[in-house]
Amino acid sequence: EVQLVQSGAEVKKPGESLKISCKVSGYIFTSYWIGWVRQTPGKGLEWMGLIYPGDSDTRYSPSFQGQVTISADKSISTAYLQWSSLKASDTAIYYCARRVGTLFMDVWGNGTTVTVSS
Amino acid sequence: EIVLTQSPGTLSLSPGERATLSCRASQSVSRNYLAWYQQKPGQAPRLLIFGASSKTTDIPDRFTGSGSGTDFTLTISRLDPEDFAVYYCHQYGTSPYSFGQGTKLEIK
Repeated sequence: EVQLVQSGAEVKKPGESLKISCKVSGYIFTSYWIGWVRQTPGKGLEWMGLIYPGDSDTRYSPSFQGQVTISADKSISTAYLQWSSLKASDTAIYYCARRVGTLFMDVWGNGTTVTVSS
Repeated sequence: EIVLTQSPGTLSLSPGERATLSCRASQSVSRNYLAWYQQKPGQAPRLLIFGASSKTTDIPDRFTGSGSGTDFTLTISRLDPEDFAVYYCHQYGTSPYSFGQGTKLEIK
């Protein structure tokens, strides 16, 4: 069974750094892109970017370029999303999802809630 | 960026009725690379339809996707109580990929 299990909820202060994870199982990690999606009540679902763990090729939405870093560790079949300096506006639920080829995202993680508040 | 506009924002219907959800794109969706997702409270989105009209294997026959170019529709032929949720369309043909704002399907 394909599964993407994300790390637990985080509460952080503005300016702090954060790295959340997405551990996959049930398929070959290096053969599929992993995407990240942000969900907020105000803006809904937003596509943030993708990584191909096979060669670490990474693509970002212009809205998130420079704001976050997407990475992956093949040795433990885990993808990451990180911030160097959080803002209150980063408060959201973040989902990772497996991408089928260069197409749609079929299986999604359980989501990580990030709350940034002073 | 391709903007996807879903209508209506909220749809109030009763079990057994037919639901028609619309998704309109600001420009043509490349190769009709349009997906529909269902999301229930506290859960991740669940893929229903890809390529505008292809269903994933575990999706009931009452769900049908149609459309091309800039106009797409998700139809649920006879609503089951488990179908009441929020539905999102998503275009993955042109980067940056984008989502509609969602249609909430609620019980009347």
